[in-house]
Amino acid sequence: AQSVTQLGSHVSVSEGALVLLRCNYSSSVPPYLFWYVQYPNQGLQLLLKYTSAATLVKGINGFEAEFKKSETSFHLTKPSAHMSDAAEYFCAVSDRGAGGTSYGKLTFGQGTILTVHP
Amino acid sequence: DAGITQSPRYKITETGRQVTLMCHQTWSHSYMFWYRQDLGHGLRLIYYSAAADITDKGEVPDGYVVSRSKTENFPLTLESATRSQTSVYFCASSIRDRVSPLHFGNGTRLTVT
Repeated sequence: AQSVTQLGSHVSVSEGALVLLRCNYSSSVPPYLFWYVQYPNQGLQLLLKYTSAATLVKGINGFEAEFKKSETSFHLTKPSAHMSDAAEYFCAVSDRGAGGTSYGKLTFGQGTILTVHP
Repeated sequence: DAGITQSPRYKITETGRQVTLMCHQTWSHSYMFWYRQDLGHGLRLIYYSAAADITDKGEVPDGYVVSRSKTENFPLTLESATRSQTSVYFCASSIRDRVSPLHFGNGTRLTVT
């Protein structure tokens, strides 16, 4: 079974600093990978996704992630943090090999809360 | 407005009572999902549905029942609520495509006393 591990349940950065949120997956074949963001009292929103077209994926709000097969990783980065980036971030994986009625099933990591200090 | 709506936003119920959480989407998406969110566990899939009248269990289905008689609605019922079911519940939908994103509702915060 596939799984996702997010290293660090809390990450704190200063405004303007680099944001790095770590995600590692476990899957027999390279899966589809996603990053979602959740703002307080809201549902999750898609930040970006990897579907094998390119290993470096750009998303909304200046975020990007790089798929590294050799490291089974899909870390999320942003060069310069903004106060509005404070939220919880979830990495998720979809099984590339699944078919039938299992389309769209995602397995989520435990989440990383990002705090941005002035 | 188009979107996915969950109701109620907040619910307090007593142990042993039946409670139903509602989910309605206006996109005519084939797939719908129920997740629960708990500290330290991220989101865990309870049930999902590939189309009307087609449902299947996810990772944590015990104590929950779903139905999908219409494409746009996917209610989740707790038959006899327990304290361990205190959680935030999210409904989501997507088109029939492995790479399409899930569209989430704003969640229902359920407290079982």
